[in-house]
Amino acid sequence: EVQLVESGGGLVKPGGSLRLSCAASGFTFSSYSMNWVRQAPGKGLEWVSSISSSSSYIYYADSVKGRFTISRDNAKNSLYLQMNSLRAEDTAVYYCAGDRGHFDYWGQGTLVTVSS
Amino acid sequence: EIVMTQSPATLSVSPGERATLSCRASQSVSSNLAWYQQKPGQAPRLLIYGASTRATGIPARFSGSGSGTEFTLTISSLQSEDFAVYYCQQYNNWPPETFGQGTKLEIK
Repeated sequence: EVQLVESGGGLVKPGGSLRLSCAASGFTFSSYSMNWVRQAPGKGLEWVSSISSSSSYIYYADSVKGRFTISRDNAKNSLYLQMNSLRAEDTAVYYCAGDRGHFDYWGQGTLVTVSS
Repeated sequence: EIVMTQSPATLSVSPGERATLSCRASQSVSSNLAWYQQKPGQAPRLLIYGASTRATGIPARFSGSGSGTEFTLTISSLQSEDFAVYYCQQYNNWPPETFGQGTKLEIK
């Protein structure tokens, strides 16, 4: 059974940092590009960042470029998102998702709240 | 950036009836279009990819059609578990991979 389990969310003050993790199992993690997709409360889905299977290609949404860093460890079947200089508008549920263009696999999400 | 526009924003349909959801791309995405279902408090689930291919385990009452800029998700006979929010997503021109704003399918 495919499982993606996110962790690391929580309440943080504006300007603060958080590191999200996503533990994968049940599929060949090292063969998949991985993504972070977020959803603000009551809003739609927004792609945040993508990393290729070997970490050779990394992309970010303009809204997070320069503040967020995506990485992965294929030996540990894990995906990460380092989030710095957080803003109120970064408040959202963050999902990790495995993709082959379309997002085949999704985690249950972790909530990040940026508030003073 | 390709903008995806879904219509209607909310669709009210009775159980057992057919539902038709639309998605339009601001430029051609070929057949690189996916549909997702999201229920409250849950992660999205892949329904359709390649515009018309059902994902593993998706019932045959879900079907997708279209290419280029116009796409349709049809649910042939609505079951109670189908009432949810549906998103389309293009993966032809990326980054960024872009989603529509969603269509809420509610019980009439």
